[in-house]
Amino acid sequence: GQQLNQSPQSMFIQEGEDVSMNCTSSSIFNTWLWYKQDPGEGPVLLIALYKAGELTSNGRLTAQFGITRKDSFLNISASIPSDVGIYFCAGQRETSGSRLTFGEGTQLTVNP
Amino acid sequence: AAGVIQSPRHLIKEKRETATLKCYPIPRHDTVYWYQQGPGQDPQFLISFYEKMQSDKGSIPDRFSAQQFSDYHSELNMSSLELGDSALYFCASRTRGLAGEQYFGPGTRLTVT
Repeated sequence: GQQLNQSPQSMFIQEGEDVSMNCTSSSIFNTWLWYKQDPGEGPVLLIALYKAGELTSNGRLTAQFGITRKDSFLNISASIPSDVGIYFCAGQRETSGSRLTFGEGTQLTVNP
Repeated sequence: AAGVIQSPRHLIKEKRETATLKCYPIPRHDTVYWYQQGPGQDPQFLISFYEKMQSDKGSIPDRFSAQQFSDYHSELNMSSLELGDSALYFCASRTRGLAGEQYFGPGTRLTVT
């Protein structure tokens, strides 16, 4: 099935550092979403992107919808220990609301 | 704010048994999605419903069935359980007025022994 390539798979950073992760696809998505998941819990929506080139912020988080519609990135600035978790990108083909296709996830560890 | 409710949170079944997972979407959300997440994997889409009709179908085994009821809650029925069915099962909901944004429940952890 459709795959999203997410990188890096894991990151180990110091508190206060900035973080960047991205997703690429071989095909176009109309919507890009970024989620954070804690162990044993459901994914929590962080940012939703609907237009190519769109840059959206949510506090210390910034995400962009790539111009080609085949990629997206997420930046976290000034990381804090509670940023620890798995971050997933998810693409959606149709704005009418079809299934989400997820990337493999980025495991983020923040050392205090 | 109200979130998606899933029950039970944990379920232990033996091989060949059946299981029923329930999902209560956020109020006024009319679309429900089911996802399966194996250990260390990303969520995989199973099936979705809009206004009580199946709207999309993914890699859901024939042993599984689901439906959405008039109050918009949904149930995922799983029969002839196999060891490989052990996973986290998530329900997500959205309203068609907000394109794309799916909100996930806390999940049901199914363990098949």
